[in-house]
Amino acid sequence: QVQLVQSGAEVKKPGASVKVSCKASGYTFTNYYMHWVRQAPGQGLEWMGIINPSGGYTSYAQKLQGRLTMTRDTSTSTVYMELSSLRSEDTAVYYCARARNYFDYWGQGTLVTVSS
Amino acid sequence: DIQMTQSPSSLSASVGDRVTITCRASHGITNYLAWYQQKPGKVPKLLIYAASTLQSGVPSRFSGSGSGTDFTLTISSLQSEDVATYYCQKYNSAPWTFGQGTKVEIK
Repeated sequence: QVQLVQSGAEVKKPGASVKVSCKASGYTFTNYYMHWVRQAPGQGLEWMGIINPSGGYTSYAQKLQGRLTMTRDTSTSTVYMELSSLRSEDTAVYYCARARNYFDYWGQGTLVTVSS
Repeated sequence: DIQMTQSPSSLSASVGDRVTITCRASHGITNYLAWYQQKPGKVPKLLIYAASTLQSGVPSRFSGSGSGTDFTLTISSLQSEDVATYYCQKYNSAPWTFGQGTKVEIK
């Protein structure tokens, strides 16, 4: 069965960086894109970006350009999301989601808290 | 960028009621529209894709319609387990924008 397992919760100080992992299993890793979506407390879903695990192509939301980096390791079927220069408004649950078009499987979410 | 606007932002209905949520795209997206359900404290779940195709395992009381710029999600007979926030999403091209969500509660 398809599974996306994310790394655990993080607490970071403003200005720091965070790197969240998402390990895929149960399907051919390079056949599906992976997206990252975040959700601030009490707020809606915000699309962050996409990575093509096959060639490594990425595309990021304009508001996160310059701070967001997505990478993948095909040997372990894992994608990574790194967000730098963290600020309090980056406090959110971060999800990875598998897609060819729509998002059919989601990770369990990783809470990232930015606090001094 | 194409904006996705849902209405209403929240609604309260009785068990057994027919519930309709609308989603409007600022420009045409043909049928590249998905609906997700997010129950409190849970991960979003895909309900409908291609505007009207029910994801496997989703109860048949859920249905979707529309194309171009105007879309609807209908719950034909609201159940207590349908309490959730519902999001539409465009996926024709980047950015994969979500609507702001519609919170459904039981009256």
